[in-house]
Amino acid sequence: GESVGLHLPTLSVQEGDNSIINCAYSNSASDYFIWYKQESGKGPQFIIDIRSNMDKRQGQRVTVLLNKTVKHLSLQIAATQPGDSAVYFCAENMGYKLSFGAGTTVTVRA
Amino acid sequence: KAGVTQTPRYLIKTRGQQVTLSCSPISGHRSVSWYQQTPGQGLQFLFEYFSETQRNKGNFPGRFSGRQFSNSRSEMNVSTLELGDSALYLCASSLVADFSTEAFFGQGTRLTVV
Repeated sequence: GESVGLHLPTLSVQEGDNSIINCAYSNSASDYFIWYKQESGKGPQFIIDIRSNMDKRQGQRVTVLLNKTVKHLSLQIAATQPGDSAVYFCAENMGYKLSFGAGTTVTVRA
Repeated sequence: KAGVTQTPRYLIKTRGQQVTLSCSPISGHRSVSWYQQTPGQGLQFLFEYFSETQRNKGNFPGRFSGRQFSNSRSEMNVSTLELGDSALYLCASSLVADFSTEAFFGQGTRLTVV
């Protein structure tokens, strides 16, 4: 399989709560990571990226954390909304390709 | 700025046929990479093109091929289609060739082989 993996295949979240999606990677030399969101019937949509010289990066309602010591990546979504329901993938730059994890399906409960 | 455009969106083909998929990258992007997405295997890298040259290729049989034109548009071809080739084929464009910057995906082409 690929080197990037997600801890949980599914995540159910109450609307308004914060979501945390986790990802582990195995290549300690990886220097660039991307989170994507994929809605049903659509291609992956770029959410946020982070380079290995950073520990944290914030976007609009999203924060990505990188822990290089344990090779762990997480995506936090604040105040989760129904429109956040999708499959989320982390991707790792292998130099010659992006390597994707299996994805976490996030379902937002009203 | 227009995004990545893939055509057609849907295709139904018969086993043994061949198919050509097209991808137009974001204006100014010279790198185009292709991925196959299936429920069982997830997103698998097919190949990557930069400045009309195939730089990298994933672990797929020779039936899968591609090319890139001088305007950076790319096509991929699958010959002698098999049922297992049914998948969502995605292309991504980026500014540079080493995947060190944002890569943006198209909507994909859903290929069904019957």
